[in-house]
Amino acid sequence: EVQLVESGGGLVQPGGSLRLSCAVSGFTLSDYWMHWVRQVPGAGLVWVARCSGDMTYINYADSVKGRFTIARDNAKNKVNLEMTSVRVEDTAIYYCVREGKSGTDYFDSWGQGVPVTVSS
Amino acid sequence: QSVLTQPPSVSAAPGQKVTISCTGGSLNLGGNFVSWYRQFPQTIPELLIYENNKRPSGIPDRFSGSKSGTSAALAITGLQTGDEADYYCGTWDSGLRAVVFGGGTKLTVL
Repeated sequence: EVQLVESGGGLVQPGGSLRLSCAVSGFTLSDYWMHWVRQVPGAGLVWVARCSGDMTYINYADSVKGRFTIARDNAKNKVNLEMTSVRVEDTAIYYCVREGKSGTDYFDSWGQGVPVTVSS
Repeated sequence: QSVLTQPPSVSAAPGQKVTISCTGGSLNLGGNFVSWYRQFPQTIPELLIYENNKRPSGIPDRFSGSKSGTSAALAITGLQTGDEADYYCGTWDSGLRAVVFGGGTKLTVL
């Protein structure tokens, strides 16, 4: 069974840093592109970043470019999102998401999500 | 303002058919696959349709997807009260180099 379990969320002050981690199981991580998607409760889905299986290809949403870093450790079955210089508008639930098939950008497995609150 | 445009809400009676539209441009829907997701309140999104018109295992054939040019649509037939949820379309935008979603459509089954 495919499982994605996020951790690391919480309260952080504006300008601060936070690392989100996604532990995966039930599949070979290196075979899949992985993404982070966020959602403010009651609002829509917003894509944050993606990373190819070998980290050759990485893309970010303009809103987080230069502040967030996606990385993965395939041997440890983990995908991380390093968040720096966070802003109030980064407050959301962050989902770790698996792409179903390389190059098609559809998401077939979602983690339960981890809340991040940026506030002073 | 989302890159992909969806109606904020749609409604129909049980047993009827409803169609949710998703409109984009040449750099997103015009050249890439569309996928659709369903999200019940307080739950995580779920894949409904991928590669324009394919259903994952477990999704009934009451749900169907289509795409033509820069527009896509999700059709749901035989509506049930259990279909009430938020529905999102998504695709890759080759210009933005980003995945983009529609703003979501709330389906109400009257």
